[in-house]
Amino acid sequence: EDQVTQSPEALRLQEGESSSLNCSYTVSGLRGLFWYRQDPGKGPEFLFTLYSAGEEKEKERLKATLTKKESFLHITAPKPEDSATYLCAVRRLLDSNYQLIWGAGTKLIIKP
Amino acid sequence: DTGVSQDPRHKITKRGQNVTFRCDPISEHNRLYWYRQTLGQGPEFLTYFQNEAQLEKSRLLSDRFSAERPKGSFSTLEIQRTEQGDSAMYLCASSPQDNQPQHFGDGTRLSIL
Repeated sequence: EDQVTQSPEALRLQEGESSSLNCSYTVSGLRGLFWYRQDPGKGPEFLFTLYSAGEEKEKERLKATLTKKESFLHITAPKPEDSATYLCAVRRLLDSNYQLIWGAGTKLIIKP
Repeated sequence: DTGVSQDPRHKITKRGQNVTFRCDPISEHNRLYWYRQTLGQGPEFLTYFQNEAQLEKSRLLSDRFSAERPKGSFSTLEIQRTEQGDSAMYLCASSPQDNQPQHFGDGTRLSIL
């Protein structure tokens, strides 16, 4: 069964302590992988799209990378305002273009 | 702000009542999606519109759920005879084309008493 798994479920870091979040996927052909940030009581906010292995995208303290089996969201020198749940979603080659398979998210807490 | 707008933000109702939510997508986006999200989970797909046409509806969606997008602009999601298990955040998203990122509203949180 195709699925998307995110780890860890929760991550607590000190301000300035760099780390990575993982999104592993087992799908029959990848069309695209999407990263979103979600704050409590809000909708997901789009961060990045990755389409092929080896691709990297950066935005401020965040960098997303993609391999054939997983994606990493690297966060460098995080600040308390980076605290949020980070979601990844995958679009498969065989699906209609709109269908996404979502992970359950990683809750990131940055302590000052 | 020209983002996706959802109304109301919160809805509290008694079991068995009908509720209706509204979504106004980003104006130039002709794709519109409804999702449901429960605590600690990713969004769960409910239905999809391209302009006014409803092209897909999740098999998980019971016949108590119906959605419309009559003029290809705003959309409504109605839940009839609400049940406890309907308590969730209902999210709307839009995109300009199918393989473009979906942009979400801040959702309607439904609580069933």
